Amino acid sequence: EAQVTQNPRYLITVTGKKLTVTCSQNMNHEYMSWYRQDPGLGLRQIYYSMNVEVTDKGDVPEGYKVSRKEKRNFPLILESPSPNQTSLYFCASKSTGAITYNEQFFGPGTRLTVL
Amino acid sequence: QQPVQSPQAVILREGEDAVINCSSSKALYSVHWYRQKHGEAPVFLMILLKGGEQKGHEKISASFNEKKQQSSLYLTASQLSYSGTYFCGTANYGGSQGNLIFGKGTKLSVKP
Repeated sequence: EAQVTQNPRYLITVTGKKLTVTCSQNMNHEYMSWYRQDPGLGLRQIYYSMNVEVTDKGDVPEGYKVSRKEKRNFPLILESPSPNQTSLYFCASKSTGAITYNEQFFGPGTRLTVL
Repeated sequence: QQPVQSPQAVILREGEDAVINCSSSKALYSVHWYRQKHGEAPVFLMILLKGGEQKGHEKISASFNEKKQQSSLYLTASQLSYSGTYFCGTANYGGSQGNLIFGKGTKLSVKP
């Protein structure tokens, strides 16, 4: 089944404790992206990657890191989480081939709480 | 920059119609529409490409005005299942340059 998976789905942590949220897709997509969703603010992009070893900042990259060493994986790293990073996080992927009529697939989301 | 969606919220009775608008300050290559149910991930509805035609998906259709850098989503004869938050996502370029940015969403509530 074609899908984007995220782990963990729920996480409660404390300020300053480094954490990683994993994202993996099995569709051989070039493009992957991370969004955070907060009430009233919609889906705000954190980082995105057009292909392996290529990453770019989105609108709200502060406090986050990403890496794209393999095509299928795009982990989100919070080196020192703070309470303002409490949010619902979505990973997504899509193909960027010559035919750009391609939908973006979303993972199930990770609800993060930082105390 | 995030595209701007309007209205922010709309309440309908079953069978009524609604229009959700999405506009950008930059030239658009494509517009994507998604619907999100509470607690779930956004689900794809349709894509409109620059120079493309109006799209339709059952009783949900959309248009794309390239000159005005706007897209509109039309929901006809709404059903209870249409309730959710609708997001437009815009890309300024195609192919390998096509990063997708989403708006703040429009919350649609359909009442019996």
